[in-house]
Amino acid sequence: AQRVTQPEKLLSVFKGAPVELKCNYSYSGSPELFWYVQYSRQRLQLLLRHISRESIKGFTADLNKGETSFHLKKPFAQEEDSAMYYCALLPNNNNDMRFGAGTRLTVKP
Amino acid sequence: DAGVIQSPRHEVTEMGQEVTLRCKPISGHDYLFWYRQTMMRGLELLIYFNNNVPIDDSGMPEDRFSAKMPNASFSTLKIQPSEPRDSAVYFCASSPRGGSRPGELFFGEGSRLTVL
Repeated sequence: AQRVTQPEKLLSVFKGAPVELKCNYSYSGSPELFWYVQYSRQRLQLLLRHISRESIKGFTADLNKGETSFHLKKPFAQEEDSAMYYCALLPNNNNDMRFGAGTRLTVKP
Repeated sequence: DAGVIQSPRHEVTEMGQEVTLRCKPISGHDYLFWYRQTMMRGLELLIYFNNNVPIDDSGMPEDRFSAKMPNASFSTLKIQPSEPRDSAVYFCASSPRGGSRPGELFFGEGSRLTVL
């Protein structure tokens, strides 16, 4: 069965510093990978998906099939980036969207 | 559209009581997911439906949990009897069909359950 691992429960950086939220997955096929974000008092929402290959709010994520990783990066963190981030995987042979345990990012002024 | 609507937003109950959580998905969405969020495990998939049919309920913890989707606009998650370890935030999410697979998931605001 597929599994998504986010090794850091908490991550704290200063404003303007680079940030990387790690996501590793275990799945033998070719999955779709996503990052979802939950800001304070807001709903969980899609941030980006690997097939779109786009940058959202300055965040990018590259799927590395060799390392089975999909790390989320931003070169200069902002205070408004403080939120809970979830990595998610959709297998190619079923529709079980699985999430990691989440990483709470705090960007300090 | 008001998005995915969940009720109740908060529920406090005593161990042994029946709990029913409700979800109204976004109109036209083909997929509906129930997730449970805890500090320790993050978001766990409990069950999902495609066109009102349960597809995978392997994430349902035990027989005390059951879910139904009687029509395209309503789903329930029932816990009977409830236990303190069921305390969590329960999320419902719906998704349009992206080809033959779910697209982006749209989440409700969640139902926070506390079992004393």
